[in-house]
Amino acid sequence: SQQGEEDPQALSIQEGENATMNCSYKTSINNLQWYRQNSGRGLVHLILIRSNEREKHSGRLRVTLDTSKKSSSLLITASRAADTASYFCATAAGNNRKLIWGLGTSLAVNP
Amino acid sequence: GAVVSQHPSRVICKSGTSVKIECRSLDFQATTMFWYRQFPKQSLMLMATSNEGSKATYEQGVEKDKFLINHASLTLSTLTVTSAHPEDSSFYICSARDLSGTSIYEQYFGPGTRLTVT
Repeated sequence: SQQGEEDPQALSIQEGENATMNCSYKTSINNLQWYRQNSGRGLVHLILIRSNEREKHSGRLRVTLDTSKKSSSLLITASRAADTASYFCATAAGNNRKLIWGLGTSLAVNP
Repeated sequence: GAVVSQHPSRVICKSGTSVKIECRSLDFQATTMFWYRQFPKQSLMLMATSNEGSKATYEQGVEKDKFLINHASLTLSTLTVTSAHPEDSSFYICSARDLSGTSIYEQYFGPGTRLTVT
């Protein structure tokens, strides 16, 4: 059921730098969501952007959505060591209750 | 926010035995819960959608007789791995949707269960 692709697969940056992750998908969507997963733990919902929205902010997070390119990006500004985690995008379409998951980006923020 | 718990967090069992994993929504009712499987450094793979009061809907390639799902109440779904084999060792995660919440599209995830079959 995986249809999303994320790049980069792995990203290593220094504390204070910005981190950008991209997600592409294949079909029309209702909304796109970003989740974070710390190693060996469950997922935490970060932000949801609807198909009629182009940009959304939440604290240090900025998400963009380009439905013409079927892509989204997640920007984490002023990164911290605690941001080290895997980040996944997931899309929902129509009345389908299922989420279609991307492959994830593993982010390492070095102190 | 909505909280989902899973029990146990870790379990080790011998090959051939069965293991039950519980998923509970603690402060909301969940008519729909989802069971995922995740291998190391990989994304989530949806196994099945658990519907309260009815049969679960399994994804293609998932053996329903091996992975038994019961969603007996609005706050509890269970996944039983029957006749476990070492290849069933994985991280199992459940999630639930809170239809009364501000965003019906969000899923709330349990912390996961690490299953090791020896």
